[in-house]
Amino acid sequence: DTGVSQDPRHKITKRGQNVTFRCDPISEHNRLYWYRQTLGQGPEFLTYFQNEAQLEKSRLLSDRFSAERPKGSFSTLEIQRTEQGDSAMYLCASSYGGNTEAFFGQGTRLTVV
Amino acid sequence: QKEVEQDPGPLSVPEGAIVSLNCTYSNSAFQYFMWYRQYSRKGPELLMYTYSSGNKEDGRFTAQVDKSSKYISLFIRDSQPSDSATYLCAMSGGGTSYGKLTFGQGTILTVHP
Repeated sequence: DTGVSQDPRHKITKRGQNVTFRCDPISEHNRLYWYRQTLGQGPEFLTYFQNEAQLEKSRLLSDRFSAERPKGSFSTLEIQRTEQGDSAMYLCASSYGGNTEAFFGQGTRLTVV
Repeated sequence: QKEVEQDPGPLSVPEGAIVSLNCTYSNSAFQYFMWYRQYSRKGPELLMYTYSSGNKEDGRFTAQVDKSSKYISLFIRDSQPSDSATYLCAMSGGGTSYGKLTFGQGTILTVHP
C-alpha cells in the first residue's frame, strides 16, 4: 500500500496521559499536514511541514501539542496531559511540492476518558 | 462566520438521481478548490481538484467553480448507493497559505436503491 499510513488507528487514554501518533506520508511527498476532525465537522488544520521544517501552526495547536518530522520522512504528533476536549479524529495528509492535491490517511481516532 | 459554508444536509435521494452539492466561501484569496468523499470512520478521499474558475468533469462527477460569486458545486450524475458518504469541500489559497486546506462542514448524502 503506497498511501498515507497512520498508527495507531484507535487510541483510548485516560485524562492527563500523554499520547503520540505517527504518520508515514506517501513516498517522495515533501509536504505533510496534520488536521483534527470532530464529529459532524470538517477537518481543521493544525500544522504542516515542508521536508523537516514546521512552517505553520494553527492557533488550535495549544502548548500541549507538539509535532515533529525528523529527516523529512515520517511525522509524530504528541499530545501532553490529554483533556476530554482532545477527543477527535487526527488526520495526516501529504502532498508533493507545488501541488495542492493532498492525500489523507485513515486517521487516528482518539478517545480521552 | 466561517470562511467556508456547506449545508450539512442530510440529503437523501433515489438511485439514479442527479445530486448537487454546494459550498460558499468568503476568502477571496482561495484559488484551489477540492471535493473529498469521506466514508464513516475513514479518512477523506480526494474526488475532484480545480484551479480557479471553470468546470471539470470526471466520469459521473462534475465540479464547478464560480469565483465571482464565491460559490463551488459538485454534481453527481446517475447516483449509486455506493455514493452514500459525507462530501467535503476544501479550499486553499496561494502564498504562505498554499496547500493549507480550509474545509466545509460536510454534507451527508444517502442514495437509496
